[in-house]
Amino acid sequence: SSELTQDPAVSVALGQTVRITCQGHSLNFNFAGWYQQKPGEAPILVVYGQNIRPSGIPDRFSASRSGNTASLTITGAQADDEGDYYCNSRDTTGDFWVFGGGTKLTVL
Amino acid sequence: QVQLQESGPGLVKPSGTLSLTCAVTGASVSTTHWWSWLRQPPGKGLEWIGDIFHSGTTYSTPSLMGRVTISVDKSKNQFSLTLTSVTAADTAVYYCARDLPRREAAGESWGRGILVTVAS
Repeated sequence: SSELTQDPAVSVALGQTVRITCQGHSLNFNFAGWYQQKPGEAPILVVYGQNIRPSGIPDRFSASRSGNTASLTITGAQADDEGDYYCNSRDTTGDFWVFGGGTKLTVL
Repeated sequence: QVQLQESGPGLVKPSGTLSLTCAVTGASVSTTHWWSWLRQPPGKGLEWIGDIFHSGTTYSTPSLMGRVTISVDKSKNQFSLTLTSVTAADTAVYYCARDLPRREAAGESWGRGILVTVAS
């Protein structure tokens, strides 16, 4: 299977916690990577693997996985966190990368 | 710090061939990293096209299989994408990216992207 499913849109109040989820069969075998993208910009990898944040990514971003569902949690969302968030993982063969359709996050 | 820069024609005719190059600076393509091509149609989500290791080993998404060629030029420290038989559905912003070693994650660092429009 090569499909990853995300909710199209999620909103969170400023300073609150939000979870963005990603479902797919391949997540039973592979960790997800999570990307933030703002309008007109290239995506940024924010979390990957077993909850690893690249240098410069705030620790309010964290990732988890349970069964076929991966989650990105933003603890204490900031206005600057608004944007589109994409998950990805390898497919069940391990050869190909697949992306979810993206979740638009609005910070109220 | 690694930097990636896509280059190539911004307009390709239907049934033609799309050719893009990604120049890498600040790092060598001959490291343990993999190097990817991805794209994003206007207003839509991300799609991984394929990746390559400096040895020449490549993977390409099955949905584009047969139309995609990815190559690496170690002497120029760059890698390239060729997509044949293009249609309007191939209109997108094309990104090149550096992946993590061992393909642990795709897109650790990205180029700014280049818009390629397929139109006559």
